[in-house]
Amino acid sequence: SQQGEEDPQALSIQEGENATMNCSYKTSINNLQWYRQNSGRGLVHLILIRSNEREKHSGRLRVTLDTSKKSSSLLITASRAADTASYFCATVPGSARQLTFGSGTQLTVLP
Amino acid sequence: DTEVTQTPKHLVMGMTNKKSLKCEQHMGHRAMYWYKQKAKKPPELMFVYSYEKLSINESVPSRFSPECPNSSLLNLHLHALQPEDSALYLCASSQVRAGADNEQFFGPGTRLTVL
Repeated sequence: SQQGEEDPQALSIQEGENATMNCSYKTSINNLQWYRQNSGRGLVHLILIRSNEREKHSGRLRVTLDTSKKSSSLLITASRAADTASYFCATVPGSARQLTFGSGTQLTVLP
Repeated sequence: DTEVTQTPKHLVMGMTNKKSLKCEQHMGHRAMYWYKQKAKKPPELMFVYSYEKLSINESVPSRFSPECPNSSLLNLHLHALQPEDSALYLCASSQVRAGADNEQFFGPGTRLTVL
């Protein structure tokens, strides 16, 4: 079953702009992960943030986690056309031991 | 080798056919997963194998039958599928089951069409 919702569902920006995607989830979690999926392909892991962390960086990616609001955001800075993909948050709910994906955000970066 | 491979890339089958999807990883991971993904939707978990034993079956119909012959291989046997089973089938692996700080490594998927 789907644990999280993401917004926006779709986002279109110009190359060089920043892109922000949000994820909300329902139950307590052990960690939250972000994945990217290019059209019709497998998913690629981007970053993992633990429930006791508030912010994490990896290259042009910045992830925040607010467990009191049960929400996370993914910021991609200085976007490139190659960043065009679907982005999914995924959580490991506290009571379960399997990854549950959010609804996803389709990001289009226009050259 | 940090790759998960899946064969075939594409599969078209009739409702009376029997076919198999294959997945392989050589990263020494002890957890392997099958997901089903419909267009514009997130992946949905079908099965989890942990140390070559089936640990999670998400109420998947019996026309899907998983098999884990060894720690590197995962199969999904298909029989008497329905057109609504058409989807992208993704295999993934991780060091241990999700719940620890483990990322999952995904294969490229098999695009299945059931006629």
